[in-house]
Amino acid sequence: AQSVAQPEDQVNVAEGNPLTVKCTYSVSGNPYLFWYVQYPNRGLQFLLKYITGDNLVKGSYGFEAEFNKSQTSFHLKKPSALVSDSALYFCAVREKGSQGNLIFGKGTKLSVKP
Amino acid sequence: NAGVTQTPKFQVLKTGQSMTLQCAQDMNHEYMSWYRQDPGMGLRLIHYSVGAGITDQGEVPNGYNVSRSTTEDFPLRLLSAAPSQTSVYFCASRKTASYEQYFGPGTRLTVT
Repeated sequence: AQSVAQPEDQVNVAEGNPLTVKCTYSVSGNPYLFWYVQYPNRGLQFLLKYITGDNLVKGSYGFEAEFNKSQTSFHLKKPSALVSDSALYFCAVREKGSQGNLIFGKGTKLSVKP
Repeated sequence: NAGVTQTPKFQVLKTGQSMTLQCAQDMNHEYMSWYRQDPGMGLRLIHYSVGAGITDQGEVPNGYNVSRSTTEDFPLRLLSAAPSQTSVYFCASRKTASYEQYFGPGTRLTVT
């Protein structure tokens, strides 16, 4: 069965510092991986995806993610955090053979303090 | 485009009551889905549809029914609400050939 794991329930970062939100995956074959963000009382918004190609993927709002096949990881990163980045972040993998349904991790709450 | 819309935003039900959560999209997306979000559990897929007249079960379908009579609408029905169905419900859609899903704003449901 395919799955993603987000090992941290919460990540705390000072504004201006780099941030990393971790995600590992368990998939047979090549994974299709995604990051979504949820601001308070809102639906999820797409940030970025890895399908194939360059291991460093750039997305919205200055975020990027690094695909590492040997470590089965897809960590979300940003060089300089903003207070407005505070939100809930979800990693997801696209299920194979099921019309492309997404399997989500449990989410990581990012808190950026001024 | 309004995107994905959901109504109502909030709902309180008593155990055993029934209701329908509405979802509509105006982007001509073939694929639509329903998720529930519970603290510490992420989002779990309830039902999905790849086009009008076609629906299928996700990870947690028990207690929920869906139908897809048009491309635009994908209502979720709770036939007999239970406290375990207290959750936030999200509808999402995408084009079949696309990887990006668009989510609605959610419906917060409380069953007492």
